[in-house]
Amino acid sequence: DADVTQTPRNRITKTGKRIMLECSQTKGHDRMYWYRQDPGLGLRLIYYSFDVKDINKGEISDGYSVSRQAQAKFSLSLESAIPNQTALYFCATSDYYRGQETQYFGPGTRLLVL
Amino acid sequence: DAKTTQPNSMESNEEEPVHLPCNHSTISGTDYIHWYRQLPSQGPEYVIHGLTSNVNNRMASLAIAEDRKSSTLILHRATLRDAAVYYCILSSSIYGQNFVFGPGTRLSVLP
Repeated sequence: DADVTQTPRNRITKTGKRIMLECSQTKGHDRMYWYRQDPGLGLRLIYYSFDVKDINKGEISDGYSVSRQAQAKFSLSLESAIPNQTALYFCATSDYYRGQETQYFGPGTRLLVL
Repeated sequence: DAKTTQPNSMESNEEEPVHLPCNHSTISGTDYIHWYRQLPSQGPEYVIHGLTSNVNNRMASLAIAEDRKSSTLILHRATLRDAAVYYCILSSSIYGQNFVFGPGTRLSVLP
């Protein structure tokens, strides 16, 4: 079984709809991240969480919100989806020890907003 | 955040070595150099990382310049499965700093 799972894998929605992307991990990591990737570009950080009670905005948080329901679960919501939020979304977890960190990514959710 | 510069794309022949360069002239003393790669239709995956000394693992080698302003990821024998986008990232050991993914280098491997 995959260590980092994302649901759904693909989603089509309409402008103005609220949608939630979910991420679960079995790695036991405290740190979790949400990124988006647009065609031909690198990943941009949306939100991150260093533990259950910690939520931080990333580079492009406008239009998004997150919920860290448990150590293993980190959800990303689009309150009112718009077409320029069409992208590939990745969840990641990381271990962090003495200043060193390795991130582990889920398979991604492909979102299309019409 | 310190930035990295990589070529947009590179080509290699199968079973030949590949040297992927990365420039990071503004690197600080607390920054680790990480390499990740993203295979088609997948999330990025960790390849290797280092601080000052060269590093080897089962996937690749990382050669770090003495002044740490550049590094090179070395794939010793490229296979078709190594075709991917390779990201060079600086990760600060200071708590709270995050990875910054640039556009990376798209590696094509020719049979």
